[in-house]
Amino acid sequence: GENVEQHPSTLSVQEGDSAVIKCTYSDSASNYFPWYKQELGKRPQLIIDIRSNVGEKKDQRIAVTLNKTAKHFSLHITETQPEDSAVYFCAARNEKLTFGTGTRLTIIP
Amino acid sequence: NAGVTQTPKFRVLKTGQSMTLLCAQDMNHEYMYWYRQDPGMGLRLIHYSVGEGTTAKGEVPDGYNVSRLKKQNFLLGLESAAPSQTSVYFCASSPVPQRGVTDTQYFGPGTRLTVL
Repeated sequence: GENVEQHPSTLSVQEGDSAVIKCTYSDSASNYFPWYKQELGKRPQLIIDIRSNVGEKKDQRIAVTLNKTAKHFSLHITETQPEDSAVYFCAARNEKLTFGTGTRLTIIP
Repeated sequence: NAGVTQTPKFRVLKTGQSMTLLCAQDMNHEYMYWYRQDPGMGLRLIHYSVGEGTTAKGEVPDGYNVSRLKKQNFLLGLESAAPSQTSVYFCASSPVPQRGVTDTQYFGPGTRLTVL
């Protein structure tokens, strides 16, 4: 089955700087890669996703890149703000979603 | 439109007791899922359903059973709870995943279960 590795597990970034979270996947048949944000005590919520026929997707301060050959994808957050502090999960889907273990992002004011 | 709801929000059980977690969605989604979330381990799929009357095992199915008698409801049962089942349980639903069509999973608010 699919195996998703996510790095780093924790990340602290100065407010206004950029944050990058990286994930690798094992199943070359996976075709959908969402990113979820989970605030403390809340449910995971989709923030951006990318499909295997696209190399990059951007939504305001958030972008995701996908390298199918290397089987890795990354989340980029620019101009970070305190409300970006949360746990972020990547996932990869062939038939089912497999989640990474999460990155706790802390924005330092 | 409530989205995905879960009951109860919190529960404490003693080892060996049984309980059922209820998930309901009002988005007419075909697919429904049960995950457990443990510190440092992300979200792990327990069971899922691709339609009314169907269920399938996920990554960590042992000790759990599920039923999907109605399209809008997905029940997760623990027949004999164990301390290892202490976790936060999330239900999710999605449309049928299709290439090029949205297939976002929408999560419920979670149930925090403690087994003593």
